Amino acid sequence: GAVVSQHPSRVICKSGTSVKIECRSLDFQATTMFWYRQFPKQSLMLMATSNEGSKATYEQGVEKDKFLINHASLTLSTLTVASAHPEDSSFYICSARGGALSNEQYFGPGTRLTVT
Amino acid sequence: AQSVTQLDSQVPVFEEAPVELRCNYSSSVSVYLFWYVQYPNQGLQLLLKYLSGSTLVKGINGFEAEFNKSQTSFHLRKPSVHISDTAEYFCAVSGNEKLTFGTGTRLTIIP
Repeated sequence: GAVVSQHPSRVICKSGTSVKIECRSLDFQATTMFWYRQFPKQSLMLMATSNEGSKATYEQGVEKDKFLINHASLTLSTLTVASAHPEDSSFYICSARGGALSNEQYFGPGTRLTVT
Repeated sequence: AQSVTQLDSQVPVFEEAPVELRCNYSSSVSVYLFWYVQYPNQGLQLLLKYLSGSTLVKGINGFEAEFNKSQTSFHLRKPSVHISDTAEYFCAVSGNEKLTFGTGTRLTIIP
């Protein structure tokens, strides 16, 4: 149990385009989902926390107009990178927490975004 | 506020030798502690966690960790490593709903 999926696993896009990444909890309802960003050979940095049906809470320094998060249901959260630029290239990882599993976060496999 | 320190960025170990990956934390509240493993281009997999109770926690793949409140440490150990243990290991602390990660330790197993 407690499986989290992400789609796509890899995406390459041109500068100026927008990219949507989906995060799904497959076998449990996730009241809270988290989005992280990981640069090469670095740790995970929390970008935002999203609760189903409400606005996401962004960490300091994260542009909410650039990284649009929607948590429309208990099993799906999306991260849209608006007007992506090469500096947005990174590994994006989501995690989900909810219900009886609320002591820990379950992580998705990550999405590698490359902006050319 | 909470923070995690992983002093060793890289740890090379011979196959079948024991290993200890160090983790120290600071927090103003009671914490939950976690170790995650990350293989290349993959997400994080939970190795083990400390929530309460026994300070010695056993996890998957033969790993264990000991919570030491007085030393604010949660070091990860394995008595005999395998080639397949080569990966990045992250220690994390949670005192509220957020996880704070250490900078990671790259474990390299030498045949």
